[in-house]
Amino acid sequence: DAGVIQSPRHEVTEMGQEVTLRCKPISGHNSLFWYRQTMMRGLELLIYFNNNVPIDDSGMPEDRFSAKMPNASFSTLKIQPSEPRDSAVYFCASSTTPGITEAFFGQGTRLTVV
Amino acid sequence: GENVEQHPSTLSVQEGDSAVIKCTYSDSASNYFPWYKQELGKGPQLIIDIRSNVGEKKDQRIAVTLNKTAKHFSLHITETQPEDSAVYFCAASINNDMRFGAGTRLTVKP
Repeated sequence: DAGVIQSPRHEVTEMGQEVTLRCKPISGHNSLFWYRQTMMRGLELLIYFNNNVPIDDSGMPEDRFSAKMPNASFSTLKIQPSEPRDSAVYFCASSTTPGITEAFFGQGTRLTVV
Repeated sequence: GENVEQHPSTLSVQEGDSAVIKCTYSDSASNYFPWYKQELGKGPQLIIDIRSNVGEKKDQRIAVTLNKTAKHFSLHITETQPEDSAVYFCAASINNDMRFGAGTRLTVKP
């Protein structure tokens, strides 16, 4: 398996534009996570899905952020409208369920909002 | 929710010395404690993990200890090498809800 695949690797956009980040989890993994990493706040859990269903989105910073998982092999994180403070590296990770297993991370998407 | 604190934020050691990173967690229901290593430009990768029914686990030069009563766990790296230089994250998890510490930037000087 190629691991967790995220696209794009880098994204530069202007403030106010819509941004969509994409993730393909490892085949057979039932849980998917979106994290945001910044120098100030470290790794923050934004949302996670079990069997394509959002379980906890309490980490989503505000209504401008939304995430979907239409099927077991694809998820998106959308920011609309984007703001400069959204600039960060966004990671997607996946793991098997239930219970206590390793999360495998993608390479991340570096988002810059100017 | 779970809160994980990690210390120190930076750590510099000489090659061959040991490095210790410590974490505390707040939720006694946490039952899985992984440690991740993140190299520049890459996603975090698991290096070792421990579950709440185990007090200590070792894998070659890396060991992790867990004290459930005190709610803290530690990463020990012995005989450090320059390639150990990276950012290390601890995490505490309850049923896949995984929260990370702020990270420790480890520098191993040759």
